[in-house]
Amino acid sequence: GQQLNQSPQSMFIQEGEDVSMNCTSSSIFNTWLWYKQDPGEGPVLLIALYKAGELTSNGRLTAQFGITRKDSFLNISASIPSDVGIYFCAGQLEGTYKYIFGTGTRLKVLA
Amino acid sequence: NAGVMQNPRHLVRRRGQEARLRCSPMKGHSHVYWYRQLPEEGLKFMVYLQKENIIDESGMPKERFSAEFPKEGPSILRIQQVVRGDSAAYFCASSPLDRRYEQYFGPGTRLTVT
Repeated sequence: GQQLNQSPQSMFIQEGEDVSMNCTSSSIFNTWLWYKQDPGEGPVLLIALYKAGELTSNGRLTAQFGITRKDSFLNISASIPSDVGIYFCAGQLEGTYKYIFGTGTRLKVLA
Repeated sequence: NAGVMQNPRHLVRRRGQEARLRCSPMKGHSHVYWYRQLPEEGLKFMVYLQKENIIDESGMPKERFSAEFPKEGPSILRIQQVVRGDSAAYFCASSPLDRRYEQYFGPGTRLTVT
């Protein structure tokens, strides 16, 4: 079945550092969504990307839709302790309404 | 504007019982997705519904699972004759008609089968 490879699986970083994570697949996607999930809660939408090559920012977060439509990355600049959590990418498969989620990147920020 | 609401938040069922999970989408949203999440894993797509219509149920197990989104009332995910392997967090997400590709998630229902 379709799969989204998300990396890294986990990261420990110092407060103030920049963070980068990405998702890749062999499948083509129409839309990419990036989410943050806190323990015991539902995912919260951070950024939505609709076109290949699109670069979108939301505060300290920046995400890009890869040119090949098979990948996306998320950057967090100047991380702060409240950035801790699990970040998921989700890609909408071409020709379907179905979203495939990545396995998540667990971010821990050391003050 | 209230967010996506799910109830119950926690549900305990014995093997063989039925589980009913409810999802009320955000006001003005007419599309609902259901996902399942096991601990330490990502979300797995189950089904996509419009009111009174199942659009894509390719992620739903063929047996024991069903979903509906009636004209009035919440969307329901129904699991009959639950087994231990059904224990998971079940999330629904809703999206507006004009931005169908943005999904907003509820807090989830954590199902435990004993």
